[in-house]
Amino acid sequence: KNEVEQSPQNLTAQEGEFITINCSYSVGISALHWLQQHPGGGIVSLFMLSSGKKKHGRLIATINIQEKHSSLHITASHPRDSAVYICAGYRWGGSQGNLIFGKGTKLSVKP
Amino acid sequence: DTAVSQTPKYLVTQMGNDKSIKCEQNLGHDTMYWYKQDSKKFLKIMFSYNNKELIINETVPNRFSPKSPDKAHLNLHINSLELGDSAVYFCASRAMSTDTQYFGPGTRLTVL
Repeated sequence: KNEVEQSPQNLTAQEGEFITINCSYSVGISALHWLQQHPGGGIVSLFMLSSGKKKHGRLIATINIQEKHSSLHITASHPRDSAVYICAGYRWGGSQGNLIFGKGTKLSVKP
Repeated sequence: DTAVSQTPKYLVTQMGNDKSIKCEQNLGHDTMYWYKQDSKKFLKIMFSYNNKELIINETVPNRFSPKSPDKAHLNLHINSLELGDSAVYFCASRAMSTDTQYFGPGTRLTVL
């Protein structure tokens, strides 16, 4: 079982819909990254959160530490939101940490 | 001005060759990483470097060796390339004060 599990694996939505992508993680993960990988391949960090909620534009990320669960929400989705969204847990080992990645959620927003 | 840059963007080579991928960051970050993204788009950590010291070395073949000439650079050298090494390799960097990582554009390696 992967230390970071995402769902759904694929998601198709109509423009304007509210979208939720879920991420569950195991013990030892101290913080969560949400990353966006564009169709062209580039990776952008959207959020890093260890508690609570963060908002940037139409994107909202929440994390529940007790339940070891995080969600990424997109309001008023647009075709340009089509991308792969990756949840990554930050695990500390020794003096440094590294990211453990989920398998990604491929989002396609239709006009 | 690109924060994290990689060269080359594409690399096509024959089995058995030795190749290097270069990574540079101009963010003044202390830690740099190499990740491999396989054909199923799954990302996995390969190496991280902090102040020129290897900190994490996940179980990758010893044909892969990271080399850091200075804090701003972390190059990836691969000996005796194999078909299974074909993937996209991403470099990233992180400041000590934050857990946010900044990714390079990736290098698509194809081994024939």
